[in-house]
Amino acid sequence: ETGVTQSPTHLIKTRGQQVTLRCSSQSGHNTVSWYQQALGQGPQFIFQYYREEENGRGNFPPRFSGLQFPNYSSELNVNALELDDSALYLCASSLTGTGLNEAFFGQGTRLTVV
Amino acid sequence: AQSVAQPEDQVNVAEGNPLTVKCTYSVSGNPYLFWYVQYPNRGLQFLLKYITGDNLVKGSYGFEAEFNKSQTSFHLKKPSALVSDSALYFCAVREKTGANNLFFGTGTRLTVIP
Repeated sequence: ETGVTQSPTHLIKTRGQQVTLRCSSQSGHNTVSWYQQALGQGPQFIFQYYREEENGRGNFPPRFSGLQFPNYSSELNVNALELDDSALYLCASSLTGTGLNEAFFGQGTRLTVV
Repeated sequence: AQSVAQPEDQVNVAEGNPLTVKCTYSVSGNPYLFWYVQYPNRGLQFLLKYITGDNLVKGSYGFEAEFNKSQTSFHLKKPSALVSDSALYFCAVREKTGANNLFFGTGTRLTVIP
C-alpha cells in the first residue's frame, strides 16, 4: 500500500451539484496530481500541484478546480456536475515536480452522478 | 503530443508460462516510461520505470520491461506467470521536457489461467 489516502471512497451526487474530493499525499511528497479514470479507460490527467501552485493542467473545463495546502494535501473540486463526470478519481503524489520520480496513487474515489 | 498504445485489450496466459504485455509510445523527445498495475476497485500500483541507462529494467514482483528506442516500445515481461498476476496493466509515458503528467494507455487485462 502507498501512503496516499483519498476520501471519501465512494460518493453519489446529483447532476448540477458540487463535489469536493480529498487527498493526503505520501510523507515527504510535495507534488500531487489528479486523474480521472472513466470505466474501461486509462487515467486522464486533470491537473498537478507543486508546492501549492498549479503546475500543469489537462484538457478539463474550469469547473474542475483544485487546491494544495501547506502540508501538501490536496482537494479536487468539481462544480455543476454532469453525468459524464461519473468516474474513478485518482490522486497521485510524487517527490518533486520534475517528472523524474514515479507517482504513487491512492485507492481512488468512485464518483457516481445521477 | 504524447500517446501510448497498448494493442491488446486482453492477454491470457497459462500459469508458469512467460507473459508479455505490449506497449508502444510516441513522444516528441526522450521519454520516461512507466508500468502500473491495477487490481479491482483499487488505485494504481507502480511496477517499474525507465529513465535512462540500461534498456532492461527490473521491477516489483518479478516483472521486467525492455526499452527499445528504435521500435518505440516498452513491453512488460515476466518469465513465469502467477495466478495472482491477473490484473489490469497500464503503460504510461512522460516527456523529459514539458508537462510532468503521465499519459496512460487504455490498459491490458491480463488473465493467468491455473
